[in-house]
Amino acid sequence: QKEVEQNSGPLSVPEGAIASLNCTYSDRVSQSFFWYRQYSGKSPELIMSIYSNGDKEDGRFTAQLNKASQYVSLLIRDSQPSDSATYLCAVHNFNKFYFGSGTKLNVKP
Amino acid sequence: GAVVSQHPSWVICKSGTSVKIECRSLDFQATTMFWYRQFPKQSLMLMATSNEGSKATYEQGVEKDKFLINHASLTLSTLTVTSAHPEDSSFYICSASGETGGEAFFGQGTRLTVV
Repeated sequence: QKEVEQNSGPLSVPEGAIASLNCTYSDRVSQSFFWYRQYSGKSPELIMSIYSNGDKEDGRFTAQLNKASQYVSLLIRDSQPSDSATYLCAVHNFNKFYFGSGTKLNVKP
Repeated sequence: GAVVSQHPSWVICKSGTSVKIECRSLDFQATTMFWYRQFPKQSLMLMATSNEGSKATYEQGVEKDKFLINHASLTLSTLTVTSAHPEDSSFYICSASGETGGEAFFGQGTRLTVV
């Protein structure tokens, strides 16, 4: 079983819509969760971090964490074509930093 | 966010030679650095985790004698690909974290091509 699982997509949404990205993790004691965005040929860049259950909002992005279900999600409101990228869910456990395989998002103009 | 600088951004080397990649945290002390490899259209694969002053911890299947990692200071880690072969051609990315459980910031990546 992989430490972090994501649907590879691609997920296609029209411009202006809400994109919903999901992630599950296997280690119940995980404490730190992150969403990164990676454009083709580039390194990942950090979008959101979340450490406690509930929602965390930052601009058009909302991260949601449910530790009981071992589930993390990212909502992107008012999606723009520039949001088209691969979104990586990451879990930081003690001294390990694992990534999911990423979900490719396409925002169509 | 914090800045992590990785050098070189790309390198071409001959088969059998060694290549060193540097990863520096410019504005914070990186207690932990991570090295990843990414093949085209695939996910990031964690190769090893290194803590300053300690030996790196390698993931299963990663040859520690081939991929030498040194984390000599709180701002610098190096990855040396020894006796490189064409199958080692990949995108190598480092990331650094300043605290246990905290965010990790990525370098720009190094595209290695072995000919």
